[in-house]
Amino acid sequence: EIVLTQSPGTLSLSPGERATLSCRASQSVSSSYLAWYQQKPGQAPRLLIYGASSRATGIPDRFSGSGSGTDFTLTISRLEPEDFAVYYCQQYGSSPPNTFGQGTKLEIK
Amino acid sequence: EVQLVESGGGLVQPGRSLRLSCAASGFTFDDYAMHWVRQAPGKGLEWVSGISWNSGSIGYADSVKGRFTISRDNAKNSLYLQMNSLRAEDTALYYCAKSTVTTGGAFDIWGQGTMVTVSS
Repeated sequence: EIVLTQSPGTLSLSPGERATLSCRASQSVSSSYLAWYQQKPGQAPRLLIYGASSRATGIPDRFSGSGSGTDFTLTISRLEPEDFAVYYCQQYGSSPPNTFGQGTKLEIK
Repeated sequence: EVQLVESGGGLVQPGRSLRLSCAASGFTFDDYAMHWVRQAPGKGLEWVSGISWNSGSIGYADSVKGRFTISRDNAKNSLYLQMNSLRAEDTALYYCAKSTVTTGGAFDIWGQGTMVTVSS
């Protein structure tokens, strides 16, 4: 089973700043089957990025994903007030199990 | 409108059973794999189980293997999770999620969840 480790656990930034979130896998993620989700309090998760770098429908272009193999990054170019939330990475594929990282909380500084 | 609505959660004693349902609408249900994901109070996301479009491929997390059974009824646009031998650590909000493809895939549509509490 692939274990995903996200860092940092908490990231404190101000609106307008750039956010860089990391997700490291215990073994290579095949075909870049890596996704990123955003979750706000009391809400279901929302898909942001799939295939490591493809934005989901309706996701603003300030969100971008990159990486391959075992190291992946979610970048938010200029933080908006609504971007402060918890972010999870996930590896998926045709064979189970899927796994999620433990999450990074992005909070207002 | 694309929508997933979970039901069937509640308070149950340890060792008992519960069956969750997820009603899908607004998309062609049998074109996509489906999943259950849970979130314990104040904790992160945990994938529980997934099923391919035609039920030909099914997977479970180790934590539920042998106790939970996923199934789907494409004629009824519905996904199910039969949970047996429930434990306190199964207490969580259970989400139904739609995959982007027939097998595997990321999860692009989520329900609002149904809460399961296992306690005596």
